[in-house]
Amino acid sequence: SQKIEQNSEALNIQEGKTATLTCNYTNYSPAYLQWYRQDPGRGPVFLLLIRENEKEKRKERLKVTFDTTLKQSLFHITASQPADSATYLCALLNNNDMRFGAGTRLTVKP
Amino acid sequence: KAGVTQTPRYLIKTRGQQVTLSCSPISGHRSVSWYQQTPGQGLQFLFEYFSETQRNKGNFPGRFSGRQFSNSRSEMNVSTLELGDSALYLCASSAGTGGPSPLHFGNGTRLTVT
Repeated sequence: SQKIEQNSEALNIQEGKTATLTCNYTNYSPAYLQWYRQDPGRGPVFLLLIRENEKEKRKERLKVTFDTTLKQSLFHITASQPADSATYLCALLNNNDMRFGAGTRLTVKP
Repeated sequence: KAGVTQTPRYLIKTRGQQVTLSCSPISGHRSVSWYQQTPGQGLQFLFEYFSETQRNKGNFPGRFSGRQFSNSRSEMNVSTLELGDSALYLCASSAGTGGPSPLHFGNGTRLTVT
């Protein structure tokens, strides 16, 4: 069956460090992978999209990698800040069908 | 541009009742998707509508249904509510024209079934 796994349910890091979140998938061949941020009581907000033929994408302090051989995406936040504390969700898109991982709750401590 | 609007924000219903949730997408967006979010299961895909037609469907029982109107507004209905239907129901809109359009989510309807 198809699975999307975000390996850590929760991740705690110190301010200024790099946070690395993992998204693994099985029995999927996604054309695109997206990352979203969700704050408590709010809907997810789109952050970044990466295509299957792209290895890496950057936006300000965010970096996403996509390895279709390993079936894995890594999401990095450099120079993390307490305001980055939120739940981060990966999502796979194939043929208008978008499925989400369970999310990783990131806490950045001052 | 106004964002995705979901009403009501909170809802309390009793087992066996039915409920209708409403979603107004971003202007110009033709695709509306619905998701159920619970602490244990995360975001689960319910269905997606595009130009009034259901284009994709998740693995939910027939008690969950939806529709989309000609102005792209969408409603979802849950009949014969069960305690396990308590969740945050999220609606998301996108251009939906086959490319990797990001989803724009509303802030959800929190449904509690007692």
